[in-house]
Amino acid sequence: NAGVTQTPKFRVLKTGQSMTLLCAQDMNHEYMYWYRQDPGMGLRLIHYSVGEGTTAKGEVPDGYNVSRLKKQNFLLGLESAAPSQTSVYFCASSSSDSGDEKLFFGSGTQLSVL
Amino acid sequence: AQSVAQPEDQVNVAEGNPLTVKCTYSVSGNPYLFWYVQYPNRGLQFLLKYITGDNLVKGSYGFEAEFNKSQTSFHLKKPSALVSDSALYFCAVRDKTSGTYKYIFGTGTRLKVLA
Repeated sequence: NAGVTQTPKFRVLKTGQSMTLLCAQDMNHEYMYWYRQDPGMGLRLIHYSVGEGTTAKGEVPDGYNVSRLKKQNFLLGLESAAPSQTSVYFCASSSSDSGDEKLFFGSGTQLSVL
Repeated sequence: AQSVAQPEDQVNVAEGNPLTVKCTYSVSGNPYLFWYVQYPNRGLQFLLKYITGDNLVKGSYGFEAEFNKSQTSFHLKKPSALVSDSALYFCAVRDKTSGTYKYIFGTGTRLKVLA
C-alpha cells in the first residue's frame, strides 16, 4: 500500500519557469491538501480539495494553482516560479468518514527557485 | 479563523525525564486537535487526535495529550523521554462546527532528548 506519493522529490527551477507537482493517493480519500514547509513558519496550507472537481484556497494560495480532475490525484502548479517559492512541499490526504479524521502525508518535494 | 500557537521553538529534556510540548489553539467552534511528528527528511506522521470524549488521549509511541477547553490548550506529554523521540512536533487544529475541512498547523517545536 503506497499511501500518498509525491513526484518529483527534488527540483531546481529558474525564476519565471513553470512546473507541476503531482500528488497521488491510493486510499480512496475525498480530501486532499497541499502545504509548504519553511523554517520558522511551520506548515502553511496552500490549497485543498474536498472532492473530485473541487478546489479551495488555503492560507497562502498566491502564485499557485491546483487541479483535482481525478479523485486520486491533486496537482499543484507554479506558473511563474519566484525565489520566495523555494520550500519543501507536502501533499496530504484524508478520509471524509466521521471518526476517521487524520491526515496522511507524502514524503515531500524539495523545490529550489534560483 | 483557525490558528495554532506553539510557543516554544525548542524543548530540551534529559532521557528518562517527563516531557511536555505546548500547544494552544483558536477556533470559532469546537475543535478537532492533532499532534504529528516529523523525523529528518521525512513527511509528517500522525501521533494522536482529540475528537470528543475523554480529555486525555493516548497515541503512538507512549505519547498522550490533554485537551483543556477553558485554556484552549492541547499539550503533548510523555512520562519518560527517549533519545529516539528527538524530532520536530506539530500541533494542528480543524474547526469541526464551521463546516471547514482545513487543517491548520502550528510552527512546530523541536524536541531534543539528551542522553
